[in-house]
Amino acid sequence: AQSVTQPDIHITVSEGASLELRCNYSYGATPYLFWYVQSPGQGLQLLLKYFSGDTLVQGIKGFEAEFKRSQSSFNLRKPSVHWSDAAEYFCAVGGGTSYGKLTFGQGTILTVHP
Amino acid sequence: SQTIHQWPATLVQPVGSPLSLECTVEGTSNPNLYWYRQAAGRGLQLLFYSVGIGQISSEVPQNLSASRPQDRQFILSSKKLLLSDSGFYLCAWSRQENTEAFFGQGTRLTVV
Repeated sequence: AQSVTQPDIHITVSEGASLELRCNYSYGATPYLFWYVQSPGQGLQLLLKYFSGDTLVQGIKGFEAEFKRSQSSFNLRKPSVHWSDAAEYFCAVGGGTSYGKLTFGQGTILTVHP
Repeated sequence: SQTIHQWPATLVQPVGSPLSLECTVEGTSNPNLYWYRQAAGRGLQLLFYSVGIGQISSEVPQNLSASRPQDRQFILSSKKLLLSDSGFYLCAWSRQENTEAFFGQGTRLTVV
């Protein structure tokens, strides 16, 4: 069965600092990997996705993520965090014949201090 | 462009009452449709998915059901709500060729 682990439930960073959110997955085939962001009381917005090719993917809002097959990881990074990045971030995995069904991690809440 | 509409945004219902949440997608045809639930402090759990009209697959046993009466309409229902049905319900769609899912704004359901 596929699974996603986000080890950090809550992360606090200062505005302008760098950010890395961790994601580890378990999947029996070539995974499709996603990062979504959710503001309080809102739906999920796709930040970026990895299907194949270059293992470093760029997304919206200055985010990037790197797929490391050997480590089963897909960590999200941003070089300089803005106060508006405060939200909850979800990593998800899908693929193959899963009809687009995604398995999500538990989420990481990001707090940004001024 | 494609859009997904989900309503109502918030709902407070008494235990034992029925439920109907609706989701519609515009600007695409024959989408895959999904209902997810997000309990407080937890990730998203897939409840139902549909690859076509009248085709519903349930991922977890529960007090809820889903229907797809039209190509771009997906409904989540219950005959009698339980306290444990409280949560944030999200509808989503994806293209048939298995790309990313696009989410609605969600419905906050509180069962009292």
